[in-house]
Parts: sequence; C-alpha cells; structure tokens
Amino acid sequence: ELKVEQNPLFLSMQEGKNYTIYCNYSTTSDRLYWYRQDPGKSLESLFVLLSNGAVKQEGRLMASLDTKARLSTLHITAAVHDLSATYFCAVVHSGGSNYKLTFGKGTLLTVNP
Amino acid sequence: EAEVAQSPRYKITEKSQAVAFWCDPISGHATLYWYRQILGQGPELLVQFQDESVVDDSQLPKDRFSAERLKGVDSTLKIQPAELGDSAMYLCASSLGHFSYEQYFGPGTRLTVT
Repeated sequence: ELKVEQNPLFLSMQEGKNYTIYCNYSTTSDRLYWYRQDPGKSLESLFVLLSNGAVKQEGRLMASLDTKARLSTLHITAAVHDLSATYFCAVVHSGGSNYKLTFGKGTLLTVNP
Repeated sequence: EAEVAQSPRYKITEKSQAVAFWCDPISGHATLYWYRQILGQGPELLVQFQDESVVDDSQLPKDRFSAERLKGVDSTLKIQPAELGDSAMYLCASSLGHFSYEQYFGPGTRLTVT
C-alpha cells in the first residue's frame, strides 16, 4: 500500500521568510501533484511533476521531484499572507488497470504579518 | 472555463437518514471520481468510474454507500443510513481518462450528520 507523508503538518511563518514542505512516498511513482486548498474550498492544482529532477516554479512557490529518493519539496520564497492555505501532495500509482491518486495529510500554512 | 459541478454544496442530516450527492463532470471527461475528505485529512478515493463502469470501489463502504453513473455522464453518491462518522467533505473529480490524466476537482459537498 502506498503511503504519502508530508511534513510539517502545521507551519506558521512570518511574511518575508522562506520555508520548505516535504513530501515522502513509499513506492515507485513518476508523477506527483501539489494542490492548494483554502478553508471550505475545493482543491486547486498547483504543479504536476512528471520526471526525476523536475522543477517547476510559479510566483513564490517552487516544486521539485526526486524519484530516486521518493521525495518532493515545495519551497516557499518570501512568504506573503495570501499563501496561507493547506497544501497537499498527491502521488500517482498504478492500481491494477487504472491509476490512483494517494494524498498526503496536508500542510496547514499560516503566514503572519 | 469548464468546471466540475456538484450539488448540494452543504447538507445537514440526522443519523439514520438517507442523503444523496450529485456530480456533473467536465464535458468529455470519461473518468469520474468520488473522494471523501475528513477534516484535517487528505482526500481518500471512494469510487472511480470509467464511463458508466466502476473501475475501483475498494474503499467504498458498500453496506451503506452506493454510487452510480448510469449514462456515463453525471453521477450520484448515496449514503443510507448516514452515520455520525460520515460527516466530511465529499469531492467529485473528473479526468479525460484513467491513465495518468490530471484530475479536476469540483467545489465539494460538505455533509454534517447530527
């Protein structure tokens, strides 16, 4: 059974600071997603990482994937209040004849002035 | 921009009652997913359809949950009878196909069982 672990689960940051969220997974996969979820809202896709060494950046967020280490990171640069949300990583894996997404528990990010 | 539609957005029901949720995927998307997200957790897949056929329902509590997608378009998820532990967000998602296509999520239905 695929396990996806995120850490930290809770992150309180000051505006302007940098931090990294980690996502470890237990079995081979070559596709990983990062999602953002605001309170009471649905999931918004941020990044899809398709191969080892993939790096994607959008604004103050940068995601990377190391398939050999089974590790993805989401780096936040110079945080601003608008980034406050819960961030999930989700790993694609094969479940027989179909592909499934398994999510981590999420990281609740709070950016304080 | 095409979106996944869900209704109702909020539902409050008493335990032992029946509830039903509806999902309309993005037009042309063959694969439809129902997820349950308990507060403070990541979404967990309940059931996956490819067109009108169930591809995976291994995590669906079949004694009380049922799902259908009769014409391979919209879908209904039913709970009967509802239990207190069913309180959660129920998310529907769709994708073009079930092989490594990106999933697009609907706004969800927040269920509270009292």
